[in-house]
Amino acid sequence: SSELTQDPAVSVALGQTVRITCQGDSLRSYYASWYQQKPGQAPVLVIYGKNNRPSGVPDRFSGSSSGNTASLTITGAQAEDEADYYCNSRDSGGNHYVFATGTKVTVL
Amino acid sequence: QVTLRESGPALVKPTQTLTLTCTFSGFSLSTSGMCVSWIRQPPGKALEWLARIDWDDDKYYSTSLKTRLTISKDTFKNQVVLTMTNMDPVDTATYYCARIDTQMGAFDIWGQGTMVTVSS
Repeated sequence: SSELTQDPAVSVALGQTVRITCQGDSLRSYYASWYQQKPGQAPVLVIYGKNNRPSGVPDRFSGSSSGNTASLTITGAQAEDEADYYCNSRDSGGNHYVFATGTKVTVL
Repeated sequence: QVTLRESGPALVKPTQTLTLTCTFSGFSLSTSGMCVSWIRQPPGKALEWLARIDWDDDKYYSTSLKTRLTISKDTFKNQVVLTMTNMDPVDTATYYCARIDTQMGAFDIWGQGTMVTVSS
């Protein structure tokens, strides 16, 4: 299967830590990348590869992977981190891509 | 600075063909490892990958949409064009183009998106 699944929503208290997970068979072969999308805006890459952050992404964002599960962790969540987060990877065949359904993160 | 910008019609009728253009700057699609993809997002729904074109003109399409999609590039104009035939109201979405740097293996820069509504 080339599907990726995420929990629909998660909430976190301001300053606390939240982990978002993404599951799929293709994650056994390919790293996930993670995208933050705020309402009315285009997605923004926040994590790629083993655990890499593009320039400008705060270091409170980190990524990890084990087996068929990839995780995005926000350590010390800020109000501006409230957004939808999507994971993505290549599919099992390697030449196509798949996005998960996304997780809405609410910062309380 | 790498930028991408989508352009195309905001409204198309059912059965028509949609043509979208991604105009980019700050990189060249003739550089090894550079690719451009199209991704769409229906209102309130998740992202869906559509197609990719590589620096060497290799092309890849979503399995579910491959019969309707064509992607092409004009390296000199710094443009990538996506056509989608036989448009249907379910194709109503914001369409994004994004760069893929194969070294990063991710969609590292996205355009702002263009909303396309399919309605008679």
